[in-house]
Amino acid sequence: EVQLVESGGGLVKPGGSLRLSCAASGFRFSGYGMNWVRQAPGKGLEWVSSISSSSTYIYYVDSVKGRFTISRDNANNSLYLQMNSLRAEDTALYYCARDIGPFSGWGMDVWGLGTTVTVSS
Amino acid sequence: SYILTQPPSMSVAPGQTAWIACGGNNIGSKSVHWYQQRPGHAPVLVLYDDSDRPSGIPERFSGSNSGNTATLTITRVEAGDEADYYCQVWDSVTDHSVIFGGGTKLTVL
Repeated sequence: EVQLVESGGGLVKPGGSLRLSCAASGFRFSGYGMNWVRQAPGKGLEWVSSISSSSTYIYYVDSVKGRFTISRDNANNSLYLQMNSLRAEDTALYYCARDIGPFSGWGMDVWGLGTTVTVSS
Repeated sequence: SYILTQPPSMSVAPGQTAWIACGGNNIGSKSVHWYQQRPGHAPVLVLYDDSDRPSGIPERFSGSNSGNTATLTITRVEAGDEADYYCQVWDSVTDHSVIFGGGTKLTVL
């Protein structure tokens, strides 16, 4: 079964850090681009970051540039999001999502259930 | 940056047809993808590349894209279609970023 399972969310104070992980199974992870997409409570979807299959191409939404770092470990079928200098506005449910192909822009056809990040003092 | 505009909400009776619009500057030149998100669930891809259906998505879901508007069409609407629907494109011209529309909440009367 094709599956993505996120972990690493939690409650953190403003200015703090968290590292999200996404464990992939049931498909050849190294052949697909991957994304982090977040959804603040009661709000719409917001793309956060993308990474191509071989990590050649990495992109971020402007609001997280310089604070978040996406990475992947194809040997261990894992995707990561290192989040530093967290702000209240980063509070959201964070989804890991697979691109249809090796690069961004082709649609995201597999999604995890998400992990919740709450930034509050 | 590129902006996608969707109506916040719409309602339709069971058995009728729903047309959900997604507006963007010259969106017809881009590939548009559509997602369904039922309350409390993760998004599900229902169309990609304007009108292609992933495996398992009913033929009742179709799409078109031309000019400044892309449209998701749901025929013979069912109660289970009640959800938020999001359009999405890849902006490779300005920011190299994924852009989501604000979402349309479809209510089945």
